[in-house]
Amino acid sequence: DTAVSQTPKYLVTQMGNDKSIKCEQNLGHDTMYWYKQDSKKFLKIMFSYNNKELIINETVPNRFSPKSPDKAHLNLHINSLELGDSAVYFCASSQGLGTSGQTGELFFGEGSRLTVL
Amino acid sequence: SQQGEEDPQALSIQEGENATMNCSYKTSINNLQWYRQNSGRGLVHLILIRSNEREKHSGRLRVTLDTSKKSSSLLITASRAADTASYFCATGQGGSEKLVFGKGTKLTVNP
Repeated sequence: DTAVSQTPKYLVTQMGNDKSIKCEQNLGHDTMYWYKQDSKKFLKIMFSYNNKELIINETVPNRFSPKSPDKAHLNLHINSLELGDSAVYFCASSQGLGTSGQTGELFFGEGSRLTVL
Repeated sequence: SQQGEEDPQALSIQEGENATMNCSYKTSINNLQWYRQNSGRGLVHLILIRSNEREKHSGRLRVTLDTSKKSSSLLITASRAADTASYFCATGQGGSEKLVFGKGTKLTVNP
């Protein structure tokens, strides 16, 4: 039973197209994230939702629009894809700050490799 | 701005040897976490150390934290070929759910 699952695993598309990546977690966590990992393996946070509310929105082009229909799902839609969007996108979830007020362990999906041609 | 910086960027050792990776960060943190990423896979949490802790162990892993130097180290003892992966440190800051990752150390353990 996969804890954090994201689809599709691979996505190859042309510049200018629109695409979506879906993520689901069955851990009962309140907080979900999207991270982008570039070709140099650098992992950068993009968005975070807590119980369907957007709580972190880094400097990301507004072509990227996250959506959380419920706390177990966080989708990422990308409009007008550009070459520089090619990367691996990771979804993750956590318990959030919890009683300690500290960010806990993140559980990651296997990643969605997006290639823009 | 990026928080953690791992050192070295790449490390190659023989099976059975110990591997040490370092992480430095810039601002105050409430905890520091280490993750492993096998090639083509997602990240897996290894260990979390809080800012008021100095050392933590988990199996063959030992993590130290020096908040005065803003640095942490991950030691893997008696390494195995299966430890081959990239290792990332990540820092959590007070009151935020954001976890900021470093660039990672690529560890290769040769059989």
